[in-house]
Amino acid sequence: NAGVTQTPKFQVLKTGQSMTLQCAQDMNHNSMYWYRQDPGMGLRLIYYSASEGTTDKGEVPNGYNVSRLNKREFSLRLESAAPSQTSVYFCASRVGGRDTDTQYFGPGTRLTVL
Amino acid sequence: DAKTTQPTSMDCAEGRAANLPCNHSTISGNEYVYWYRQIHSQGPQYIIHGLKNNETNEMASLIITEDRKSSTLILPHATLRDTAVYYCIVRVATGTASKLTFGTGTRLQVTL
Repeated sequence: NAGVTQTPKFQVLKTGQSMTLQCAQDMNHNSMYWYRQDPGMGLRLIYYSASEGTTDKGEVPNGYNVSRLNKREFSLRLESAAPSQTSVYFCASRVGGRDTDTQYFGPGTRLTVL
Repeated sequence: DAKTTQPTSMDCAEGRAANLPCNHSTISGNEYVYWYRQIHSQGPQYIIHGLKNNETNEMASLIITEDRKSSTLILPHATLRDTAVYYCIVRVATGTASKLTFGTGTRLQVTL
């Protein structure tokens, strides 16, 4: 049981390049999330997926697209990377229900855009 | 979701109890208190949550005041590995996807 996995761990891009961050969970969770964390800041929600086949915008969706490929996988795409997107990106999945709302996070992808 | 207030930073000696406070004076009756922590460079980690009763698990204890306007996370015997940023989050548990709002948290430094 690996929990939430993310690839790659590190990435350096040039301005204008595109890339896709991959996330997978093996806990059979319905909901998945993408956050970004800038230095010294808290996490900010980019996009989330309540269930397979649905996606919704979070606080900071501009410049990103997502795909919920299946129940396990939720990818984040940067179509044209900008230096302002330099950040650490965390994926999470959620155990939800009446009395619990716990999210489990992956180890993060550290992205630098030059 | 209710707003929370936490101290920016705290220190604790190794082996002693670490008591991390959180104020949430506008909490609603159906909102839970969640605690997460983030060890440097890692993803946030769930610690504990509660509604109104005190809760304990293998990691920590959560004490919620009777009026639910504040709470305290207790790490009973802090170790150097507990050095992290601790986030107190208040929100309603729902059946559909929810969104956690992370503030800036409390940076706990455990020292020898």
